[in-house]
Amino acid sequence: NFMLTQPHSVSESPGKTVTISCTGSSGSFASNYVQWFQQRPGSAPTTVIYEDHQRPSGVPDRFSGSIDSSSNSATLTISGLKTEDEADYYCQSYDTSNHVVFGGGTKLTV
Amino acid sequence: EVQLVESGGGSVQPGGSLRLSCAASGFTFRTYWMNWVRQAPGKGLVWVSRISFDGSSASYADSVKGRFTISTDNAKNTVYLQMNSLRVEETAVYYCAIHDTTHLLWAWGQGTTVTVSS
Repeated sequence: NFMLTQPHSVSESPGKTVTISCTGSSGSFASNYVQWFQQRPGSAPTTVIYEDHQRPSGVPDRFSGSIDSSSNSATLTISGLKTEDEADYYCQSYDTSNHVVFGGGTKLTV
Repeated sequence: EVQLVESGGGSVQPGGSLRLSCAASGFTFRTYWMNWVRQAPGKGLVWVSRISFDGSSASYADSVKGRFTISTDNAKNTVYLQMNSLRVEETAVYYCAIHDTTHLLWAWGQGTTVTVSS
């Protein structure tokens, strides 16, 4: 079964830059987009990155996404960290059956 | 702006049934996929099921196949999740989330809580 692996937690100071990785268990990234969702405590998830690197309207350009096909991994980068960025972040993609797959989530502490 | 409103959550005994609803409004795309995603207390997001806008295609996570049924009523812009033979470990907040078929920009509802307990 296709799996997405994320670090359990990351921590960084305000104003700094943090990266959150998402590694696929097989080569599915080559043919499927990756999305990133932010979930603040007590709230529903929201999309911060879709289709690998696209930012929805209203999401600050401090958020960026990238793909490294050679390592079958995706990365969410948040620069100029703010305390409001403290949240859980989930990556999402699809397996070869087109079923939705989520990473286990990463808790970001700012 | 897309709005998704879930309803139908509640408390049920193990082996019982519930039907969740997700009413969608404010979207302009004609074709879409609607997903159900659940989150157990203190845990991560887990995909449950999805259905195409016209109901012609549906898929399920292995853990719910044969017990859950997803369906759609286009006239009401509403998607349903019929959940049978519920298990204690399926206690969770259930979210619906929509994206159109050309852009994977997911929009999420606020969730509805399902508690399975004796």
